Amino acid sequence: AQSVTQLGSHVSVSEGALVLLRCNYSSSVPPYLFWYVQYPNQGLQLLLKYTSAATLVKGINGFEAEFKKSETSFHLTKPSAHMSDAAEYFCAVRGNNAGNMLTFGGGTRLMVKP
Amino acid sequence: DGGITQSPKYLFRKEGQNVTLSCEQNLNHDAMYWYRQDPGQGLRLIYYSQIVNDFQKGDIAEGYSVSREKKESFPLTVTSAQKNPTAFYLCASSMGRGAGGYTFGSGTRLTVV
Repeated sequence: AQSVTQLGSHVSVSEGALVLLRCNYSSSVPPYLFWYVQYPNQGLQLLLKYTSAATLVKGINGFEAEFKKSETSFHLTKPSAHMSDAAEYFCAVRGNNAGNMLTFGGGTRLMVKP
Repeated sequence: DGGITQSPKYLFRKEGQNVTLSCEQNLNHDAMYWYRQDPGQGLRLIYYSQIVNDFQKGDIAEGYSVSREKKESFPLTVTSAQKNPTAFYLCASSMGRGAGGYTFGSGTRLTVV
């Protein structure tokens, strides 16, 4: 069984400030972990994924995430927020068993203030 | 380019009507999924299919039906039994195995009028 918790359904930052979106997971098998971004009235787009290679994963648009097994976390960060980063972000986990489906967190809406 | 296409982008349904949402992928993915999204409620799984001619109910299947007659197609029918169908519907696909995630379509917004 697996689950994902995203702490904070809404996060607000100023333009240029650090972005930190939190994700904790549980999984009975070594996990694959994903971050997706969703802009209004669009589908989800993959930002980055962890697949048991490097623990620090770099994604698109300057985002990165670090897999910390001891903390069961996969937090998403970006050093400097842009107005265009305003969107909803979803963390997801998948066990590495064949056929395992993704389990999504509840999402975090990121607001960027000018 | 490979991808997943949902149509139409916007759909309006009268009370008591069935409507069908289209989802087509040319990624050669084995698995396909339907999600419903309401404001503030994240993604809720309606149905999924991991192989042609087979599909499984998700968490909120009541009032919905699907078919998987072809690998590339997974249409969703919203029946009149679905009492609150106004929502944003997302289709996704995946290899079903390995480290890959899901590829999502751009969504269909259904409104009851």
